[in-house]
Amino acid sequence: DAGVIQSPRHEVTEMGQEVTLRCKPISGHNSLFWYRQTMMRGLELLIYFNNNVPIDDSGMPEDRFSAKMPNASFSTLKIQPSEPRDSAVYFCASTAGGTGGQETQYFGPGTRLLVL
Amino acid sequence: GQNIDQPTEMTATEGAIVQINCTYQTSGFNGLFWYQQHAGEAPTFLSYNVLDGLEEKGRFSSFLSRSKGYSYLLLKELQMKDSASYLCALNTGFQKLVFGTGTRLLVSP
Repeated sequence: DAGVIQSPRHEVTEMGQEVTLRCKPISGHNSLFWYRQTMMRGLELLIYFNNNVPIDDSGMPEDRFSAKMPNASFSTLKIQPSEPRDSAVYFCASTAGGTGGQETQYFGPGTRLLVL
Repeated sequence: GQNIDQPTEMTATEGAIVQINCTYQTSGFNGLFWYQQHAGEAPTFLSYNVLDGLEEKGRFSSFLSRSKGYSYLLLKELQMKDSASYLCALNTGFQKLVFGTGTRLLVSP
């Protein structure tokens, strides 16, 4: 079975450019999560969707960040314009559960973003 | 809000037992997860505690005490491949996880 798929795996861009990260959740999973991981702040939840609907975006750092989930098998996280402080590893995760939260989240391999 | 504390780094010897602690302050939570993350890789699920007590799964066990705001992950018969970061995370409801900054475990021969 394919796990969570993320692309690109690595991204190097210049400050001010638009960055789009992509995620395909595990088939049949109805919840999708975007996280950011840095040495200083650890793993932080940015936003999550349930049945393609954004449920909580309180972790999105600012208006430069936006996320969409147009269908059950695809989501994007966009940063426009990008800044050096956005450099981090961005993980996507999915789970099959409802809103109880006991279900395991399965993480993708991550996108390593470097903004110069 | 939530506050989660873990030691930054621990070292241990192959074959030994190590206990990784996680203390937290929160107004309420559904349960506590432990994840393992090897360098450069994604976090993977280890355990989930809802009730107080010990959950055993092979070489790994996890303990939760809600009254003390405390959890630990116990790793027995350490192997070199156990060198990784270990993250505890509170399930604060509606699938929202709040992660600690993780403990990096180094296992030496």
